[in-house]
Amino acid sequence: GAVVSQHPSWVICKSGTSVKIECRSLDFQATTMFWYRQFPKQSLMLMATSNEGSKATYEQGVEKDKFLINHASLTLSTLTVTSAHPEDSSFYICSASSSADTQYFGPGTRLTVL
Amino acid sequence: KQEVTQIPAALSVPEGENLVLNCSFTDSAIYNLQWFRQDPGKGLTSLLLIQSSQREQTSGRLNASLDKSSGRSTLYIAASQPGDSATYLCAVRDSGYALNFGKGTSLLVTP
Repeated sequence: GAVVSQHPSWVICKSGTSVKIECRSLDFQATTMFWYRQFPKQSLMLMATSNEGSKATYEQGVEKDKFLINHASLTLSTLTVTSAHPEDSSFYICSASSSADTQYFGPGTRLTVL
Repeated sequence: KQEVTQIPAALSVPEGENLVLNCSFTDSAIYNLQWFRQDPGKGLTSLLLIQSSQREQTSGRLNASLDKSSGRSTLYIAASQPGDSATYLCAVRDSGYALNFGKGTSLLVTP
């Protein structure tokens, strides 16, 4: 149980285009979902926290107009990187939680912006 | 802001050795601490979760301890195997939901 999927697993796009990444909780309802970013040899850094039906809460330094997060249902959250640039190339990982204690992580999405 | 540090950054050991990975955090007012494993280019696998009221957790060859007052946790791996090669991440949860991660320890176990 407690499986989280992400789609796509990897994506390559041209600079200036937008990319959407999906995060799904497959066998539980996720009241809260988190989006993290991980640069090579760096730690995971929290980008934003989203609760179903509410606006996402962004961490300091994360542009909310560039990284659009939608958590429209209890099993799906999406992250859209708008007008992507090469510096946005990174590994994006989501996690989902149905309780206060445990976050279940997705397998990640590798984004490469040319 | 909570800062999480992991030492060493990288470790290479021969198969069969017992080893210890270290994690320290700056704010002792934590809710819980979790150890994860991350294989190259992959997501995270949760290994052990220690609540703030607990001192240690064990799962198979893994044992994690927590000393909240000193801001330290260790992950002990017994009888290491090549399949244990991965990056091990320590994450601390404060009063909110978010996890604060260390940079990880990259472990290589050689046959």
